[in-house]
Amino acid sequence: EDQVTQSPEALRLQEGESSSLNCSYTVSGLRGLFWYRQDPGKGPEFLFTLYSAGEEKEKERLKATLTKKESFLHITAPKPEDSATYLCAALNDYKLSFGAGTTVTVRA
Amino acid sequence: EAGVAQSPRYKIIEKRQSVAFWCNPISGHATLYWYQQILGQGPKLLIQFQNNGVVDDSQLPKDRFSAERLKGVDSTLKIQPAKLEDSAVYLCASRVPGQLLTGELFFGEGSRLTVL
Repeated sequence: EDQVTQSPEALRLQEGESSSLNCSYTVSGLRGLFWYRQDPGKGPEFLFTLYSAGEEKEKERLKATLTKKESFLHITAPKPEDSATYLCAALNDYKLSFGAGTTVTVRA
Repeated sequence: EAGVAQSPRYKIIEKRQSVAFWCNPISGHATLYWYQQILGQGPKLLIQFQNNGVVDDSQLPKDRFSAERLKGVDSTLKIQPAKLEDSAVYLCASRVPGQLLTGELFFGEGSRLTVL
């Protein structure tokens, strides 16, 4: 059965304190690994797509990387506005499986 | 560009009552999804439509949940009768057909259901 596990569940950071979120997946025939951001009371918002091991994508203070078994979302010098829940999702042939997310809180 | 519209935003009902949620996807998005997100968990797919046809409803509890997408545009998700464990946010998402590999689903703000 396809499985996507994210860690840690929650992360509290000081403004400027860089850190990484982990997404490990067990998906047969991975076709893509996606990262979303979800703010409280909102639906997820698409951030990145990664297709193959070694690939990296960047957007402002966020950088996503992919290996054969996991993906990392690196947050560099975070600001309070980066506070959100970050979800990863793995796509096999046609089905998207989401992890439970990591809730990031950045204190000023 | 208008986003995915959902209503109502909040609903509180007693167990065994019924409820319906409505979704209007982004114009031109033939693929529509309903997800259930329980507090502290990731979204779980309930049903996927392509135009007005069902592509995947394997995780839809069909004894109590039903969904339709008449005319291939807006969609309704119904729960009857509701159970306590149905308390969750129901998210509607849409995408352009053929863009599955981009991973870019557009989500609405969700409908939060509380079953007492």
